[in-house]
Amino acid sequence: GAGVSQSPSNKVTEKGKDVELRCDPISGHTALYWYRQSLGQGLEFLIYFQGNSAPDKSGLPSDRFSAERTGGSVSTLTIQRTQQEDSAVYLCASSQTRNEQFFGPGTRLTVL
Amino acid sequence: AQSVTQPDIHITVSEGASLELRCNYSYGATPYLFWYVQSPGQGLQLLLKYFSGDTLVQGIKGIEAEFKRSQSSFNLRKPSVHWSDAAEYFCAVAWLDSNYQLIWGAGTKLIIKP
Repeated sequence: GAGVSQSPSNKVTEKGKDVELRCDPISGHTALYWYRQSLGQGLEFLIYFQGNSAPDKSGLPSDRFSAERTGGSVSTLTIQRTQQEDSAVYLCASSQTRNEQFFGPGTRLTVL
Repeated sequence: AQSVTQPDIHITVSEGASLELRCNYSYGATPYLFWYVQSPGQGLQLLLKYFSGDTLVQGIKGIEAEFKRSQSSFNLRKPSVHWSDAAEYFCAVAWLDSNYQLIWGAGTKLIIKP
């Protein structure tokens, strides 16, 4: 597609529920990143996929967070048993090189 | 440890005035430097980047940034701001020996006075 797309754009959930956030990267981009942006904060790295290599999960804040990337394209970030502190904007980015990243519009997650 | 600092949380500038946003990083190795902008409700957009060569980099929207190794800085400048420049600006840095993972500053929110 023309850019990185993310869905849903907004998600409101109750504490303890699981949520899935989707990212469609730019076609042909081999690298995909997930970030979290809390109110008034910079970007917090969560996870990085590069081609068929094992993902870099070093930024995942707890074992409630996981992500998959199927067929080297679409990625899903799953948060299990959501907590109020998980409320944030979740941003996805893709890149063809390892440095210049193109961002999606984000998913705003609100945990009540 | 690698870190990126944007010392100004907010900056208020009159329309037509010049702008400088500061970015400093801490780590000795050669950095790869980026400025991104995030407008309200929009995704992050790359303004400019520095990998090597001329330390004065030109970006989109009349913006430039200068890499100063001696000061570990990559400050962004614009000679004359427009109301449409109001946004949040993020500096990000990557290092070869950290697998090119971007480290982000906390952002500077630019407010334009009419």
